[in-house]
Amino acid sequence: SQQGEEDPQALSIQEGENATMNCSYKTSINNLQWYRQNSGRGLVHLILIRSNEREKHSGRLRVTLDTSKKSSSLLITASRAADTASYFCATSGTYKYIFGTGTRLKVLA
Amino acid sequence: DAGVIQSPRHEVTEMGQEVTLRCKPISGHDYLFWYRQTMMRGLELLIYFNNNVPIDDSGMPEDRFSAKMPNASFSTLKIQPSEPRDSAVYFCASSSNGLAGDSYEQYFGPGTRLTVT
Repeated sequence: SQQGEEDPQALSIQEGENATMNCSYKTSINNLQWYRQNSGRGLVHLILIRSNEREKHSGRLRVTLDTSKKSSSLLITASRAADTASYFCATSGTYKYIFGTGTRLKVLA
Repeated sequence: DAGVIQSPRHEVTEMGQEVTLRCKPISGHDYLFWYRQTMMRGLELLIYFNNNVPIDDSGMPEDRFSAKMPNASFSTLKIQPSEPRDSAVYFCASSSNGLAGDSYEQYFGPGTRLTVT
């Protein structure tokens, strides 16, 4: 069964706008990761946030984690056409990661 | 490093045939994962290895699926006999133990697109 569920399933925005996608999960976790997948390619790791962290930044990415609500959000600021991809959250209790269903982001130039 | 290498990139076969997918992880990584991705079911973990030993194969759908890792630089996923519902993209990923013990990123290969007719 899926551990993470991303929301929305699809998102379309204009270049320069911010994109926010959310992930909800069901059980306790050690950490949560976000990955990007371009069409026809493998997943690429973006950022990891540990269960004792609340917020983390990496370039134009900002991730938050609320363990009380079992949810995380990924914010991409000043989006670019190259950010068009599917984004997945992955949660882990141990070394086994469970991936969510993904958010398909389309950034229009 | 060339990253995780998978072969073949595309495979088309007829129902009932044996299919073997191959993976070469990144040198030095001690975890190897096999995933299957479909539109209906998303990305599913099939099996993972640590130091060449299978740790969790609970995601392997049926006995028709088997995976081996004879050494640190090679793994195979075999489907015998194949069925149309096995059509999917199969990914291999590898990782190493993070400094904190539980924090690491997975490096994915480009995937093998399998079509069973």
